[in-house]
Amino acid sequence: QVQLVQSGAEVKKPGSSVKVSCKASGGTFSTYIINWMRQAPGQGFEWMGRLIPYSGLVNYTQKFQGRVTITADKSTSTAYMELRSLRSEDTALYYCARGRAADDFDYWGQGTLVTVSS
Amino acid sequence: DIQMTQSPSTLSASVGDRVTITCRASQSISSWLAWYQHKPGKAPKLLIYLASNLQSGVPSRFSGSGSGTEFTLTISSLQPDDFASYFCHQYNSYPFTFGPGTKVGIK
Repeated sequence: QVQLVQSGAEVKKPGSSVKVSCKASGGTFSTYIINWMRQAPGQGFEWMGRLIPYSGLVNYTQKFQGRVTITADKSTSTAYMELRSLRSEDTALYYCARGRAADDFDYWGQGTLVTVSS
Repeated sequence: DIQMTQSPSTLSASVGDRVTITCRASQSISSWLAWYQHKPGKAPKLLIYLASNLQSGVPSRFSGSGSGTEFTLTISSLQPDDFASYFCHQYNSYPFTFGPGTKVGIK
């Protein structure tokens, strides 16, 4: 059974960075497609980007281009999402999810709350 | 970007009710649509993929239909475990986008 377990909640100052982890178990990590989304309070989900660990191919949505980096450590089956230059509008729940070949998401992490506050 | 809308945003229903949620895309997405169930503090759960395909392990009371720009998720007989939020997801083109969600509450 595939499981994605994310790191714990973070409180950050404006202008700083946050790095959220997503540890996978079950399945073959290198064949995963790892997607990252966020959900701001009272809002819908917003897709940030994805990584295919096998190839290293990364796609980012234009909104976050230059401010987000998605990486993976195949040796620990862990994916990471780093968001820089944080502002209050980045306060949200951040989720990782495994994408299938058709790009639907069959397994999700439990979410990581990132709060940006001075 | 493709905009996704859902209706209603909230609904109140009773156990045993038939519930229908609609998702609309701002342009055609063929059948590249998924539906998820989400409970607070939990990981979202895939219910339906490719608009009408039931994900393995999901009860048969859930069904999806539609293509192009209009889609529906139907719960044929609402069960206590189904009180949750539901959202759609288009994966026809980048960036992937999501509907704002429908919260199903107890009447």
